[in-house]
Amino acid sequence: GAVVSQHPSWVICKSGTSVKIECRSLDFQATTMFWYRQFPKQSLMLMATSNEGSKATYEQGVEKDKFLINHASLTLSTLTVTSAHPEDSSFYICSARGAGLTLGGYTFGSGTRLTVV
Amino acid sequence: DAKTTQPTSMDCAEGRAANLPCNHSTISGNEYVYWYRQIHSQGPQYIIHGLKNNETNEMASLIITEDRKSSTLILPHATLRDTAVYYCIAPYNQGGKLIFGQGTELSVKP
Repeated sequence: GAVVSQHPSWVICKSGTSVKIECRSLDFQATTMFWYRQFPKQSLMLMATSNEGSKATYEQGVEKDKFLINHASLTLSTLTVTSAHPEDSSFYICSARGAGLTLGGYTFGSGTRLTVV
Repeated sequence: DAKTTQPTSMDCAEGRAANLPCNHSTISGNEYVYWYRQIHSQGPQYIIHGLKNNETNEMASLIITEDRKSSTLILPHATLRDTAVYYCIAPYNQGGKLIFGQGTELSVKP
């Protein structure tokens, strides 16, 4: 149980275009979802926290107009990278938390490798 | 915020026990210690967590010192597939957020 599905697993896009990444909780209701980015040889950096039905809370230094987060249902959160540029190329990972979960309470998706050319 | 300190990297021979230390000297009394690992280009995987008592599951054992200022994750018989970055996280919740430090890069060698 407690599976989080993240799609796509990798994407290549042209500079200036937008890319949407989906994060779905398959067998539980995710009251809170988190989005991270990770550059090579670095740790995960928390970008934002989203709760179902409310606006996301962004970490300091993360541009909310560039990284649009929507958590419209208890099983789906999306991250849209708008007007992507090469410096946005990174590994993006979502995590979901739901009531009553075991396994530490947080489950992670498998990540999305974004390359902007 | 309680911070954790881990060695940057460690090596372990295949089949031997891997002991990964973590210092969390500023942890408060009700904060859990959690361990996750990340295999290259994958999302983090939960391993184990504990508060005061030692814990064991099918993946690993967690030994927490009596003063709770440090802990050790033990992989009893490391395999090549255990090569990953291991993260010790405490406190687990910072306003509900899970914050990762730099972790320990464990290399299991044949």
